[in-house]
Amino acid sequence: GAVVSQHPSRVICKSGTSVKIECRSLDFQATTMFWYRQFPKQSLMLMATSNEGSKATYEQGVEKDKFLINHASLTLSTLTVTSAHPEDSSFYICSATRSTGQNTEAFFGQGTRLTVV
Amino acid sequence: KQEVTQIPAALSVPEGENLVLNCSFTDSAIYNLQWFRQDPGKGLTSLLLIQSSQREQTSGRLNASLDKSSGRSTLYIAASQPGDSATYLCAVRRQNYGQNFVFGPGTRLSVLP
Repeated sequence: GAVVSQHPSRVICKSGTSVKIECRSLDFQATTMFWYRQFPKQSLMLMATSNEGSKATYEQGVEKDKFLINHASLTLSTLTVTSAHPEDSSFYICSATRSTGQNTEAFFGQGTRLTVV
Repeated sequence: KQEVTQIPAALSVPEGENLVLNCSFTDSAIYNLQWFRQDPGKGLTSLLLIQSSQREQTSGRLNASLDKSSGRSTLYIAASQPGDSATYLCAVRRQNYGQNFVFGPGTRLSVLP
């Protein structure tokens, strides 16, 4: 079964409004989660690293004031797209890494299709 | 800068065929490599994870190999089925903290009944 749950799977919002996307690790604690963005027929691009109890780390070119990340607990990270515009329409996917012994494996959420009209 | 490429970009095969998907990366200093499956409009499902010290991993009809020195990985799918139709992504991870995944563009596979 899924180990990372993302909600909602689809959202349509009006331009200028804000949208919150949740990412939960279901059966493990994740001090770090990751947010990706995927444009149609393109691969995933890391947007930011969400750190529990501290500020997120954003990749170059990603506006931290537009994409607000909160990681208030060890199992939940949220991404809020503020003042959304049509160009923010995209597929957003979160990820968390689970450690087993000396190895770590990444698991991804189901993704959220955001459409800004 | 790590770059990941995948060949072919798209592949269409009849059911039952064995097939190979290719992934290349430019920087051999990787921690691990992971193959994912993505269905249209969906998230990613992890298929196989190969640590940098390993040469291959197998799961059912899937076999992934890794040649770190040459910067290549292959995903072998045996006896393909229509349900295998999806986009297959390979991703390399540079460090054992954070994530630092670099994804390839994917191979879109269609298995025809």
